[in-house]
Amino acid sequence: NAGVTQTPKFQVLKTGQSMTLQCAQDMNHEYMSWYRQDPGMGLRLIHYSVGAGITDQGEVPNGYNVSRSTTEDFPLRLLSAAPSQTSVYFCASRGQGKNTEAFFGQGTRLTVV
Amino acid sequence: GNSVTQMEGPVTLSEEAFLTINCTYTATGYPSLFWYVQYPGEGLQLLLKATKADDKGSNKGFEATYRKETTSFHLEKGSVQVSDSAVYFCALLNTGFQKLVFGTGTRLLVSP
Repeated sequence: NAGVTQTPKFQVLKTGQSMTLQCAQDMNHEYMSWYRQDPGMGLRLIHYSVGAGITDQGEVPNGYNVSRSTTEDFPLRLLSAAPSQTSVYFCASRGQGKNTEAFFGQGTRLTVV
Repeated sequence: GNSVTQMEGPVTLSEEAFLTINCTYTATGYPSLFWYVQYPGEGLQLLLKATKADDKGSNKGFEATYRKETTSFHLEKGSVQVSDSAVYFCALLNTGFQKLVFGTGTRLLVSP
């Protein structure tokens, strides 16, 4: 039972490069989210999805794009990386309802130089 | 809007000491409340939860009670262990059940 799988675990980018962080879940969860974790800032929501074909912005969406073509996958795209996007990124998924637990991936540590 | 405020860390304790990590929230409606824990190099995992006023969540010796009158969900443990050293996040799930909002996290360091 894999749960939530994120790739890659580590990445170094040069300013202006683009890349996609992959996230896949095998629990048939409706909700998926991307967060970034920065020292002293906790986890901040970047984008989220409530089902295939439906996405919405979180509190820090600028510089990131997402799509949700299948229930399983929720990739996060950085179109033109900036040093301010150096962070640890977490993908999470959960089922519907107020009791449901969110499951997190292991995280991607991204450095933009 | 919805928000969560946690006490600043790090919290440094000796083994077997009593732990309290304060958490207060601002929300419309009746959110669900959670504590998540993050061990070094890992993602977050659920520690406990409560979905309505006066509910008490508990797990692994940790407890937290949903207090609507004080909008609080403080985390407590009677006797901490070195293995409890981690970062603890308080979180709420808004009434629409769409966004999980986190506090800034509190690092706990337990020494032998």
